[in-house]
Amino acid sequence: QKEVEQDPGPLSVPEGAIVSLNCTYSNSAFQYFMWYRQYSRKGPELLMYTYSSGNKEDGRFTAQVDKSSKYISLFIRDSQPSDSATYLCAMKEVGNAGKSTFGDGTTLTVKP
Amino acid sequence: GAVVSQHPSRVICKSGTSVKIECRSLDFQATTMFWYRQFPKQSLMLMATSNEGSKATYEQGVEKDKFLINHASLTLSTLTVTSAHPEDSSFYICSVSGLAGEQFFGPGTRLTVL
Repeated sequence: QKEVEQDPGPLSVPEGAIVSLNCTYSNSAFQYFMWYRQYSRKGPELLMYTYSSGNKEDGRFTAQVDKSSKYISLFIRDSQPSDSATYLCAMKEVGNAGKSTFGDGTTLTVKP
Repeated sequence: GAVVSQHPSRVICKSGTSVKIECRSLDFQATTMFWYRQFPKQSLMLMATSNEGSKATYEQGVEKDKFLINHASLTLSTLTVTSAHPEDSSFYICSVSGLAGEQFFGPGTRLTVL
């Protein structure tokens, strides 16, 4: 069993829809949670970073962490065609020299 | 966040040759860098952790003699794929670890071995 399981997708939604991307994890030592966006043939870029349970909002993006359920989500409001990409969740233990464990990614297509 | 560059962005080589990929941290002194490989439609696979001034730490199953890593300064790590073969064709990405453990990735290098 993988330490991090990500909803595989692919996901296709109309422009303006609310998108929910989800990951579950089994390692209770994970304390830092990140979401990355990766466009085709590009390196991933950091979208959201959080370390506590609850919600963190940044523009149209909201990261949600529920440590008791070992579940994290990324919500995208008013989705745009430019949001079409692969989204990766990642988690990290305290210390561990920055080494993160990644989900397999969910590919999102937002149709105009 | 940190700005990371990679060079070259794309390389095509013949089987049996060696290829060197550079990863530079442009605005951040990185004692630790990470090297990943990504096959089409698959997630990132961590290959090794590059430590400035010391030997790299390789993940299980990654041949350290085939994938040579040198991290000679706080801003530069290199990955050399020695005697490359077609199965080494992949997208290679490096990253720098930020102060809080988040990672900043380079744009990637696409290697094609003929």
